[in-house]
Amino acid sequence: EDKVVQSPLSLVVHEGDTVTLNCSYEVTNFRSLLWYKQEKKAPTFLFMLTSSGIEKKSGRLSSILDKKELFSILNITATQTGDSAIYLCAVANAGGTSYGKLTFGQGTILTVHP
Amino acid sequence: EADIYQTPRYLVIGTGKKITLECSQTMGHDKMYWYQQDPGMELHLIHYSYGVNSTEKGDLSSESTVSRIRTEHFPLTLESARPSHTSQYLCASSESYDEKLFFGSGTQLSVL
Repeated sequence: EDKVVQSPLSLVVHEGDTVTLNCSYEVTNFRSLLWYKQEKKAPTFLFMLTSSGIEKKSGRLSSILDKKELFSILNITATQTGDSAIYLCAVANAGGTSYGKLTFGQGTILTVHP
Repeated sequence: EADIYQTPRYLVIGTGKKITLECSQTMGHDKMYWYQQDPGMELHLIHYSYGVNSTEKGDLSSESTVSRIRTEHFPLTLESARPSHTSQYLCASSESYDEKLFFGSGTQLSVL
């Protein structure tokens, strides 16, 4: 059974701080790892990683995947109150009937105080 | 503008009622999904569809049913709602060749 574990579960920081969110996974046939940001209700896509060691970057957010150690990190620099959200990590399975289906972690609740 | 829509956003009903949660997307995606999410918990896949007239049960057992008669429409039905069905239901869609999901805003269901 595929499994995704995120840490920490909750994080409270002040504006300007840098945070690192962790995601470890077990999957029978790895296809990709995805990060989502969930504010209010609808998760919105941040990154998809398929190759080890290649950093994806978008503004103050960046992410990297380690396929050997089976984990990914999401970094947010110079945090702002608008970064407050739940950050979800998910893995996609490439095998058979599981093709393309995502397994999600519990999420990390990030709260950024002014 | 291409998007994915869910209605209603919030629903409070009594036990035993039949309900249908609506989900429509205008992106022409073949794949559609229903996830269930409780507070502080993972999203769990309860149903998915890879195209018209194709539906499959997900990893989490659910008493709900789905149908896919049109590409853009993927409604979820509960024949007799119970308090244990209280949860948030998220609909999503994706391209045939892609695992990147686009989510709707969700329906928060409360069964009293």
